[in-house]
Amino acid sequence: DTAVSQTPKYLVTQMGNDKSIKCEQNLGHDTMYWYKQDSKKFLKIMFSYNNKELIINETVPNRFSPKSPDKAHLNLHINSLELGDSAVYFCASSQNTAEAFFGQGTRLTVV
Amino acid sequence: LAKTTQPISMDSYEGQEVNITCSHNNIATNDYITWYQQFPSQGPRFIIQGYKTKVTNEVASLFIPADRKSSTLSLPRVSLSDTAVYYCLVGMHSGGYQKVTFGTGTKLQVIP
Repeated sequence: DTAVSQTPKYLVTQMGNDKSIKCEQNLGHDTMYWYKQDSKKFLKIMFSYNNKELIINETVPNRFSPKSPDKAHLNLHINSLELGDSAVYFCASSQNTAEAFFGQGTRLTVV
Repeated sequence: LAKTTQPISMDSYEGQEVNITCSHNNIATNDYITWYQQFPSQGPRFIIQGYKTKVTNEVASLFIPADRKSSTLSLPRVSLSDTAVYYCLVGMHSGGYQKVTFGTGTKLQVIP
């Protein structure tokens, strides 16, 4: 039973489209995150969301918007996709410790 | 958040002990030191965490000197399956939420 699951695993889309990536965790954690890993393998945090409090990383374009219908889900919606958005996006969760559990990633390719 | 510096890559032969050192000169009093492992096409996976001195679990040891400005991840007798990127990170440990920032990581290549 996967602790943190994200869908889809692969996403290929055209520039200008709007897409969403879904994330679910069954660990009962209070905090969830979205990370972006670019082609150089740098892993950068985009958002963290804790008990209805959203912490926005100001370096993230406002085309990116996280949405959390409940504590177990944190979806990432991206508007007007650009070529530079191509990357692997990881969802993660944690609970009062520094140990974060990561999903398998969503490889987004914008063409 | 404290910035971390670690070697970009390391090579090791199978069966050897591997030590990866990370520098974090501006670590804060409340920061813990955590190491993650990432295989290609997978998300990072927690290895070990410590605050000071030495921590050991079934897969690795973490050595932290008294000044806590650096830390060393020790992998005993590595195998080919240990080939991965290893990330050192420091972050505030507080009740409520945890924000972690990853550095560039060390790419470990285990050679037969």
